[in-house]
Amino acid sequence: SQTIHQWPATLVQPVGSPLSLECTVEGTSNPNLYWYRQAAGRGLQLLFYSVGIGQISSEVPQNLSASRPQDRQFILSSKKLLLSDSGFYLCAWSLTSRKLFFGSGTQLSVL
Amino acid sequence: SQQGEEDPQALSIQEGENATMNCSYKTSINNLQWYRQNSGRGLVHLILIRSNEREKHSGRLRVTLDTSKKSSSLLITASRAADTASYFCATAANSGGYQKVTFGTGTKLQVIP
Repeated sequence: SQTIHQWPATLVQPVGSPLSLECTVEGTSNPNLYWYRQAAGRGLQLLFYSVGIGQISSEVPQNLSASRPQDRQFILSSKKLLLSDSGFYLCAWSLTSRKLFFGSGTQLSVL
Repeated sequence: SQQGEEDPQALSIQEGENATMNCSYKTSINNLQWYRQNSGRGLVHLILIRSNEREKHSGRLRVTLDTSKKSSSLLITASRAADTASYFCATAANSGGYQKVTFGTGTKLQVIP
């Protein structure tokens, strides 16, 4: 069966520090991969999606970047975090069924 | 940007009552999906309804879709305390050869035992 792993679960980082969040999917090949961000008590904002290795599309210009070095690995990064980068980050994958399967999320607090 | 807007933003009901949540969207879609999120957790897919379908059932869930009004509703019958969560609609639409899934703002449901 397919599983998605996202880590870390929580992260507290100072302003100006770098960021690296990792997401891996097991049990499937060539998934579509997504990064979403959720502000407290709000809906999900699509940040990046990827349909294949090295293929990244950005939805919102911002301080973040994403990479897909392997088929089932999706990484969200920042060189210098801003206060506004705080939020709940969710990785997800999908196949042709179009349903999204989400990881457990990373709560990022930038102080 | 948010494609869907859920209504109401928050809903509090007694256990055993039915809960109805509505979702409106703006553009043409391939399908519409409903997800559930427990506090501080990832989202879990509940049900998907295609653009050519009008109603779909899954257990205690009933979803309707009106593409002419660009709206959908999620009905949870005979609610339980365990149904307490936030519920999101999500629309899927073609975007440059890729299916983009955009989420609404969510309805926070509280079921009181």
